Amino acid sequence: DGGITQSPKYLFRKEGQNVTLSCEQNLNHDAMYWYRQDPGQGLRLIYYSQIVNDFQKGDIAEGYSVSREKKESFPLTVTSAQKNPTAFYLCASSIVGGDPPTEAFFGQGTRLTVV
Amino acid sequence: GQNIDQPTEMTATEGAIVQINCTYQTSGFNGLFWYQQHAGEAPTFLSYNVLDGLEEKGRFSSFLSRSKGYSYLLLKELQMKDSASYLCAVMDSNYQLIWGAGTKLIIKP
Repeated sequence: DGGITQSPKYLFRKEGQNVTLSCEQNLNHDAMYWYRQDPGQGLRLIYYSQIVNDFQKGDIAEGYSVSREKKESFPLTVTSAQKNPTAFYLCASSIVGGDPPTEAFFGQGTRLTVV
Repeated sequence: GQNIDQPTEMTATEGAIVQINCTYQTSGFNGLFWYQQHAGEAPTFLSYNVLDGLEEKGRFSSFLSRSKGYSYLLLKELQMKDSASYLCAVMDSNYQLIWGAGTKLIIKP
């Protein structure tokens, strides 16, 4: 079955540590996205990538880093520079340039808690 | 700036009808999406509108007026499982999705 998989579902991190969230898709989508969701707020874009080996900062990229070495994979690293990392993180993928545009598909999310 | 507005929370009764509104101001427009999100889970796609008018899909319908920057999601014959947050998102001129904060819908028996 095609889909997008995030792991782990729950993650605990000590202050000052870097942590990497995994996102894999087998939908053959060119575009992949990382969003952060906080209570009472909409999805905020961290990074996105429309092609392998290329990615762009979103609205809240500070304290985060990504890589896109393979079409299927778009891991997100939350660095110690991110001052308030506790949040729900969602990875998504979509087709690029569809006419009409098609919907984004989401992974199950990773809830990161800093302890 | 770009802005999407939705009510924070709505309450409705099982079996009834509810309308969730969304107004937007964005840099360009390439369509409006509605997603459903149950607590702690991923959003799932409900509907897409790019032309004015009503799109019906079973118990759910979505309406768009581009001139007014307005959309609504209409849910009929409400069921308890419809309790969720409903997210409105607009695709701007750069084909990026701009998200509203979501409307939490509470269904009472």
